[in-house]
Amino acid sequence: AQKVTQAQTEISVVEKEDVTLDCVYETRDTTYYLFWYKQPPSGELVFLIRRNSFDEQNEISGRYSWNFQKSTSSFNFTITASQVVDSAVYFCALSEARRYGGSQGNLIFGKGTKLSVKP
Amino acid sequence: GAVVSQHPSRVICKSGTSVKIECRSLDFQATTMFWYRQFPKKSLMLMATSNEGSKATYEQGVEKDKFLINHASLTLSTLTVTSAHPEDSSFYICSAPPWDSARTDTQYFGPGTRLTVL
Repeated sequence: AQKVTQAQTEISVVEKEDVTLDCVYETRDTTYYLFWYKQPPSGELVFLIRRNSFDEQNEISGRYSWNFQKSTSSFNFTITASQVVDSAVYFCALSEARRYGGSQGNLIFGKGTKLSVKP
Repeated sequence: GAVVSQHPSRVICKSGTSVKIECRSLDFQATTMFWYRQFPKKSLMLMATSNEGSKATYEQGVEKDKFLINHASLTLSTLTVTSAHPEDSSFYICSAPPWDSARTDTQYFGPGTRLTVL
Protein backbone atom coordinates (compact mmCIF):
# COMPACT_ATOMS: atom_id res chain seq x y z
CA ALA A 1 0.00 0.00 0.00
CA GLN A 2 1.10 3.52 -0.63
CA LYS A 3 1.83 5.80 2.26
CA VAL A 4 3.34 9.21 2.87
CA THR A 5 4.76 10.19 6.23
CA GLN A 6 5.48 13.72 7.30
CA ALA A 7 6.78 13.27 10.79
CA GLN A 8 6.97 16.98 11.61
CA THR A 9 3.54 18.18 12.61
CA GLU A 10 4.53 21.77 13.28
CA ILE A 11 7.69 23.77 12.81
CA SER A 12 8.31 27.29 13.97
CA VAL A 13 11.25 29.34 12.76
CA VAL A 14 12.33 32.93 12.78
CA GLU A 15 12.46 34.80 9.50
CA LYS A 16 15.61 34.23 7.43
CA GLU A 17 16.26 30.84 8.96
CA ASP A 18 16.51 27.84 6.67
CA VAL A 19 14.00 25.08 7.27
CA THR A 20 13.68 21.54 5.94
CA LEU A 21 10.40 19.68 5.76
CA ASP A 22 10.75 15.92 5.75
CA CYS A 23 8.78 13.47 3.63
CA VAL A 24 9.14 9.71 3.58
CA TYR A 25 7.04 7.57 1.30
CA GLU A 26 6.19 3.92 0.78
CA THR A 27 5.18 2.31 -2.48
CA ARG A 28 5.67 -0.95 -4.31
CA ASP A 29 5.45 0.70 -7.69
CA THR A 30 8.61 1.19 -9.68
CA THR A 31 7.18 4.24 -11.38
CA TYR A 32 5.46 6.88 -9.32
CA TYR A 33 5.21 10.61 -8.80
CA LEU A 34 5.91 12.77 -5.80
CA PHE A 35 4.51 16.22 -5.14
CA TRP A 36 4.73 19.08 -2.72
CA TYR A 37 1.83 21.44 -2.16
CA LYS A 38 1.44 24.54 -0.05
CA GLN A 39 -1.88 25.26 1.62
CA PRO A 40 -2.22 28.79 3.00
CA PRO A 41 -5.04 29.67 5.40
CA SER A 42 -7.36 30.32 2.45
CA GLY A 43 -7.35 26.57 1.84
CA GLU A 44 -6.46 26.56 -1.83
CA LEU A 45 -3.68 24.16 -2.70
CA VAL A 46 -0.65 25.71 -4.37
CA PHE A 47 1.40 23.36 -6.50
CA LEU A 48 5.13 23.51 -5.79
CA ILE A 49 6.76 20.60 -7.54
CA ARG A 50 6.23 17.24 -9.18
CA ARG A 51 8.97 14.66 -9.48
CA ASN A 52 8.85 11.26 -11.15
CA SER A 53 10.64 8.29 -9.68
CA PHE A 54 13.21 8.11 -12.45
CA ASP A 55 14.44 11.64 -11.95
CA GLU A 56 16.60 11.79 -8.88
CA GLN A 57 18.16 15.12 -9.64
CA ASN A 58 17.73 17.65 -6.92
CA GLU A 59 15.90 20.78 -7.90
CA ILE A 60 16.20 24.37 -6.90
CA SER A 61 13.64 27.05 -7.55
CA GLY A 62 14.51 30.35 -5.99
CA ARG A 63 14.51 29.86 -2.22
CA TYR A 64 13.00 26.40 -2.56
CA SER A 65 14.96 23.21 -3.08
CA TRP A 66 14.06 19.55 -3.06
CA ASN A 67 16.19 16.54 -2.24
CA PHE A 68 14.94 13.25 -3.67
CA GLN A 69 16.68 10.18 -2.26
CA LYS A 70 15.22 7.04 -3.73
CA SER A 71 17.47 4.85 -1.59
CA THR A 72 15.82 6.16 1.56
CA SER A 73 12.41 6.85 0.00
CA SER A 74 12.59 10.47 0.97
CA PHE A 75 11.65 13.67 -0.79
CA ASN A 76 12.59 16.53 1.49
CA PHE A 77 11.83 20.19 0.92
CA THR A 78 14.05 23.03 2.06
CA ILE A 79 13.16 26.70 2.24
CA THR A 80 16.18 28.94 2.40
CA ALA A 81 15.98 32.30 4.14
CA SER A 82 12.38 31.76 5.17
CA GLN A 83 9.88 34.59 5.06
CA VAL A 84 6.65 35.25 6.90
CA VAL A 85 4.74 34.59 3.66
CA ASP A 86 6.03 31.03 3.75
CA SER A 87 3.80 30.34 6.72
CA ALA A 88 1.37 27.63 5.63
CA VAL A 89 0.71 23.92 5.80
CA TYR A 90 2.89 21.95 3.41
CA PHE A 91 1.81 18.60 2.05
CA CYS A 92 3.88 15.93 0.43
CA ALA A 93 1.95 13.56 -1.83
CA LEU A 94 2.46 10.41 -3.87
CA SER A 95 0.62 9.05 -6.87
CA GLU A 96 0.72 6.10 -9.19
CA ALA A 97 1.84 6.56 -12.74
CA ARG A 98 -0.27 6.15 -15.82
CA ARG A 99 0.76 3.41 -18.20
CA TYR A 100 1.76 5.87 -20.90
CA GLY A 101 3.25 8.54 -18.72
CA GLY A 102 2.11 11.13 -16.25
CA SER A 103 0.47 10.81 -12.91
CA GLN A 104 -2.76 8.90 -12.38
CA GLY A 105 -4.00 11.88 -10.47
CA ASN A 106 -5.18 10.12 -7.33
CA LEU A 107 -2.83 11.54 -4.76
CA ILE A 108 -2.03 10.07 -1.39
CA PHE A 109 -1.21 12.93 0.94
CA GLY A 110 0.90 13.05 4.04
CA LYS A 111 -0.58 14.63 7.14
CA GLY A 112 1.11 17.91 6.42
CA THR A 113 3.58 20.09 8.25
CA LYS A 114 2.46 23.43 9.56
CA LEU A 115 5.22 25.95 9.14
CA SER A 116 5.12 29.18 11.09
CA VAL A 117 7.66 31.81 10.22
CA LYS A 118 7.89 34.59 12.78
CA PRO A 119 9.25 38.04 12.01
CA GLY B 1 -2.79 27.78 -17.37
CA ALA B 2 -5.36 25.15 -16.64
CA VAL B 3 -8.03 26.17 -14.18
CA VAL B 4 -10.45 24.17 -12.10
CA SER B 5 -13.36 25.91 -10.48
CA GLN B 6 -15.66 24.81 -7.70
CA HIS B 7 -19.06 26.10 -6.80
CA PRO B 8 -20.10 27.08 -4.23
CA SER B 9 -17.02 28.11 -2.33
CA ARG B 10 -18.88 28.01 0.93
CA VAL B 11 -22.22 26.56 1.94
CA ILE B 12 -24.10 26.37 5.19
CA CYS B 13 -27.08 24.07 5.38
CA LYS B 14 -29.41 22.49 7.88
CA SER B 15 -29.08 18.92 8.93
CA GLY B 16 -31.02 16.59 6.67
CA THR B 17 -30.73 18.63 3.51
CA SER B 18 -28.73 17.70 0.43
CA VAL B 19 -25.95 19.82 -0.97
CA LYS B 20 -24.50 19.74 -4.48
CA ILE B 21 -20.94 20.83 -5.19
CA GLU B 22 -19.76 21.39 -8.74
CA CYS B 23 -16.26 20.94 -10.09
CA ARG B 24 -15.48 22.31 -13.54
CA SER B 25 -12.38 22.18 -15.70
CA LEU B 26 -12.45 25.52 -17.47
CA ASP B 27 -10.04 25.17 -20.35
CA PHE B 28 -9.41 21.48 -20.73
CA GLN B 29 -11.26 18.22 -20.77
CA ALA B 30 -11.02 15.74 -17.96
CA THR B 31 -12.28 12.20 -18.30
CA THR B 32 -11.43 11.65 -14.68
CA MET B 33 -11.80 13.93 -11.69
CA PHE B 34 -10.98 13.27 -8.07
CA TRP B 35 -12.81 14.32 -4.94
CA TYR B 36 -10.97 14.87 -1.67
CA ARG B 37 -12.15 15.69 1.80
CA GLN B 38 -10.23 17.59 4.42
CA PHE B 39 -11.27 17.86 8.05
CA PRO B 40 -10.02 20.88 10.02
CA LYS B 41 -6.28 20.70 10.59
CA LYS B 42 -6.13 17.33 8.90
CA SER B 43 -4.82 15.97 5.67
CA LEU B 44 -6.64 15.51 2.40
CA MET B 45 -8.25 12.13 1.96
CA LEU B 46 -9.25 10.83 -1.44
CA MET B 47 -12.96 10.06 -1.41
CA ALA B 48 -13.67 8.93 -4.93
CA THR B 49 -12.66 8.95 -8.54
CA SER B 50 -15.23 10.41 -10.88
CA ASN B 51 -15.29 8.89 -14.35
CA GLU B 52 -17.01 10.57 -17.27
CA GLY B 53 -19.81 8.41 -18.56
CA SER B 54 -19.50 5.69 -15.96
CA LYS B 55 -19.87 5.06 -12.26
CA ALA B 56 -17.56 6.66 -9.76
CA THR B 57 -15.06 4.58 -7.86
CA TYR B 58 -15.21 5.11 -4.10
CA GLU B 59 -12.40 4.66 -1.62
CA GLN B 60 -12.83 2.22 1.18
CA GLY B 61 -15.01 3.58 3.94
CA VAL B 62 -16.74 6.20 1.81
CA GLU B 63 -20.51 5.71 1.56
CA LYS B 64 -21.49 5.88 -2.08
CA ASP B 65 -25.14 6.43 -1.23
CA LYS B 66 -24.18 9.34 0.96
CA PHE B 67 -21.83 11.00 -1.49
CA LEU B 68 -23.34 10.85 -4.94
CA ILE B 69 -20.99 11.63 -7.80
CA ASN B 70 -22.05 12.41 -11.33
CA HIS B 71 -19.57 13.11 -14.13
CA ALA B 72 -21.97 14.08 -16.85
CA SER B 73 -19.56 15.80 -19.22
CA LEU B 74 -15.86 16.11 -19.88
CA THR B 75 -15.73 19.37 -17.94
CA LEU B 76 -18.11 18.85 -15.05
CA SER B 77 -18.32 16.56 -12.06
CA THR B 78 -20.76 17.02 -9.20
CA LEU B 79 -20.65 15.75 -5.65
CA THR B 80 -23.95 15.63 -3.79
CA VAL B 81 -23.87 15.17 -0.05
CA THR B 82 -27.25 13.62 0.69
CA SER B 83 -29.06 14.09 3.98
CA ALA B 84 -26.14 16.03 5.35
CA HIS B 85 -25.30 15.84 9.05
CA PRO B 86 -22.90 17.91 11.15
CA GLU B 87 -20.22 15.24 10.83
CA ASP B 88 -20.21 15.86 7.07
CA SER B 89 -18.95 19.38 7.68
CA SER B 90 -15.62 19.54 5.94
CA PHE B 91 -13.58 21.12 3.17
CA TYR B 92 -14.20 19.35 -0.13
CA ILE B 93 -11.65 19.73 -2.92
CA CYS B 94 -11.71 18.37 -6.44
CA SER B 95 -8.90 17.88 -8.88
CA ALA B 96 -9.05 17.42 -12.60
CA PRO B 97 -5.79 16.32 -14.17
CA PRO B 98 -5.75 16.93 -17.92
CA TRP B 99 -5.13 13.90 -20.07
CA ASP B 100 -3.30 15.90 -22.69
CA SER B 101 0.16 14.37 -22.56
CA ALA B 102 1.74 17.77 -23.04
CA ARG B 103 0.38 18.98 -19.71
CA THR B 104 1.03 16.21 -17.26
CA ASP B 105 3.21 18.31 -15.07
CA THR B 106 0.69 18.90 -12.34
CA GLN B 107 -2.65 18.08 -10.86
CA TYR B 108 -5.08 20.95 -11.06
CA PHE B 109 -7.00 21.45 -7.87
CA GLY B 110 -10.12 23.46 -7.39
CA PRO B 111 -10.22 26.14 -4.70
CA GLY B 112 -12.37 23.97 -2.44
CA THR B 113 -15.85 24.12 -0.95
CA ARG B 114 -16.32 24.60 2.76
CA LEU B 115 -19.45 22.81 3.92
CA THR B 116 -20.95 23.54 7.30
CA VAL B 117 -23.95 21.51 8.39
CA LEU B 118 -25.88 22.94 11.32
